[in-house]
Amino acid sequence: GQQVMQIPQYQHVQEGEDFTTYCNSSTTLSNIQWYKQRPGGHPVFLIQLVKSGEVKKQKRLTFQFGEAKKNSSLHITATQTTDVGTYFCAAKTTDSWGKLQFGAGTQVVVTP
Amino acid sequence: NAGVTQTPKFQVLKTGQSMTLQCAQDMNHEYMSWYRQDPGMGLRLIHYSVGAGITDQGEVPNGYNVSRSTTEDFPLRLLSAAPSQTSVYFCASSPTSGMPYNEQFFGPGTRLTVL
Repeated sequence: GQQVMQIPQYQHVQEGEDFTTYCNSSTTLSNIQWYKQRPGGHPVFLIQLVKSGEVKKQKRLTFQFGEAKKNSSLHITATQTTDVGTYFCAAKTTDSWGKLQFGAGTQVVVTP
Repeated sequence: NAGVTQTPKFQVLKTGQSMTLQCAQDMNHEYMSWYRQDPGMGLRLIHYSVGAGITDQGEVPNGYNVSRSTTEDFPLRLLSAAPSQTSVYFCASSPTSGMPYNEQFFGPGTRLTVL
């Protein structure tokens, strides 16, 4: 079955630094979504990418969908303590109707 | 709108007991789903429903049953609890099951411990 792989699993970042988390699939994706889960909370939707090569920005967050629609990245600039949490990608392949598969997530810890 | 609500928030069961985790949404969403979250494994889909009367299995359906008699409610039943079912359970809903999906709205979760 489809595997949605996320790397890294953990990311320790100094406040003010940039970092990137990646989501990779061996199969073509119909779309990809990104969620953020604060410690003790529930996942909250950030964004959805649908088109090949698509890039979307939300303030300090930049999301990209690969040209082949098999990978995606989330880049955060000037990390703040409010960025602490786990970031998940979730994807649907072109042949998995009804099912959204989540990656294992990247847990982000920010050091002041 | 209350969004997606889940009850209970915490539950402790003994091995072999059964129980139902409740999930309700007031957004008239067609699509509802149940996930379990275990450390280092992300969210794994248990069951999902694309509308009232229609359910299907996800990645890890064994030991769980669901039904969808109304648009609003999507309960998850544990038939005979096992320690391997200790997890945090999230219910989610989405406006449509079509392609591509819209965002999923998650409930606050139920933390279940099976002794």
